[in-house]
Amino acid sequence: DTGVSQNPRHKITKRGQNVTFRCDPISEHNRLYWYRQTLGQGPEFLTYFQNEAQLEKSRLLSDRFSAERPKGSFSTLEIQRTEQGDSAMYLCASSLARTGSGNTIYFGEGSWLTVV
Amino acid sequence: AQRVTQPEKLLSVFKGAPVELKCNYSYSGSPELFWYVQYSRQRLQLLLRHISRESIKGFTADLNKGETSFHLKKPFAQEEDSAMYYCALSGHQAGTALIFGKGTTLSVSS
Repeated sequence: DTGVSQNPRHKITKRGQNVTFRCDPISEHNRLYWYRQTLGQGPEFLTYFQNEAQLEKSRLLSDRFSAERPKGSFSTLEIQRTEQGDSAMYLCASSLARTGSGNTIYFGEGSWLTVV
Repeated sequence: AQRVTQPEKLLSVFKGAPVELKCNYSYSGSPELFWYVQYSRQRLQLLLRHISRESIKGFTADLNKGETSFHLKKPFAQEEDSAMYYCALSGHQAGTALIFGKGTTLSVSS
């Protein structure tokens, strides 16, 4: 499978612990996105990277959240001091951004986080 | 403000009936509109985009700028169409992040 890969697929953690999710995008895709999805909601944008540069962060991304893409390939999303409200599906997506053309974004299967 | 509204949480139809999933948007400028679908236990995947003007799995969607709508239609629903459908928009520049609606669950029964 050469799609977007995420791990772990499921994570249960105690409140206050730190968690980290990893995303491997489709190779050659220069853009990588993180979204969060809770029950009954559509995916909500968190942040995105073009290569290794983090170009945009949404207001949803509190200072407990940090995302990196150090070599412009895989990315990590870390949540520090988790809270119960962080329980959600964290989706990663990637795309090949080309000037002047549309942009198809491909999603991974997501990482479920449950904070107890 | 950029917003995508899908007014129906659930749409139930019988097999062979026409389907219309509603989507309205708010965006200052010329957005690009998409429909994504998520089948049970599968990842979110692109169904169609307005720029392509294509029909995928019998679904079509026309961008109506006057009504700021991008409704998804299919003349004859099939049971395998049962899924969650999300309307989404992005800015015109390549690579702009998608903004999603809350989704509509389509249930097709025989």
